[in-house]
Amino acid sequence: EAQVTQNPRYLITVTGKKLTVTCSQNMNHEYMSWYRQDPGLGLRQIYYSMNVEVTDKGDVPEGYKVSRKEKRNFPLILESPSPNQTSLYFCASGTSSYEQYFGPGTRLTVT
Amino acid sequence: ILNVEQSPQSLHVQEGDSTNFTCSFPSSNFYALHWYRWETAKSPEALFVMTLNGDEKKKGRISATLNTKEGYSYLYIKGSQPEDSATYLCAFHPGTASKLTFGTGTRLQVTL
Repeated sequence: EAQVTQNPRYLITVTGKKLTVTCSQNMNHEYMSWYRQDPGLGLRQIYYSMNVEVTDKGDVPEGYKVSRKEKRNFPLILESPSPNQTSLYFCASGTSSYEQYFGPGTRLTVT
Repeated sequence: ILNVEQSPQSLHVQEGDSTNFTCSFPSSNFYALHWYRWETAKSPEALFVMTLNGDEKKKGRISATLNTKEGYSYLYIKGSQPEDSATYLCAFHPGTASKLTFGTGTRLQVTL
C-alpha cells in the first residue's frame, strides 16, 4: 500500500530535550516536505526537499533541522524543543510539489 | 511570507445546497494554485492543481476556477452532502520554487 508514515504519532516532551520525528514514504517520490499546523494559522511549510541531499527552507524553519540521506526518509529534528513548537506536524511527499500525499500527522507537546 | 487568504472562514449549509468559497493570492509571480480537502482527524488530500489563467477543473460535484490576473480562485460544491463536510485549503505556489504557502482554510459543515 502506497503511504507516508510518521513516527511517533503523539509525543510529549520537555523543553530542550532533542527529538526526531521520522517520515518515510514507499512511493519513490523525489519531493518531500514538513509542515506544522496551528489553530488560526493553517499549514505552514518548515522545510522541503527536492531530492536526496537537496533541502531548502520553507516559511518557518527556525528551530528545526532536516536531512535527506535516502530518498524514502526525511526526518525532522528539533535540537532544543521549546513550548512554541507545540503543534501538529505533517510530512508529505510527491513526485513534485504539485500533488503531495500527506502522512497521518504527529502531535507534539513541549512542556 | 506570502499572503494567501480564504473566505469565509467557516460555512454551515444544508444538504442539497450549492456553495462556493474564495482563495486570494498574490497575482504576481504565479506558478500554481492547489486545492486540498481536509477531513477532521485525517490528512489533507489533493483535489486540484491549477496553473493557467482561466483554468477550470472538476471532480464529481466539486469544481474550481482560476483567475491569475486578479489573484483569486473559487471552489464550488454543487448539491452539498454531509460527506463534503471538511476544511478546504488552497495553497499558492510562487514562481518556480517548490515552496508552498497555504491559506487558513474554509471549514464547511453540511447538515441534513
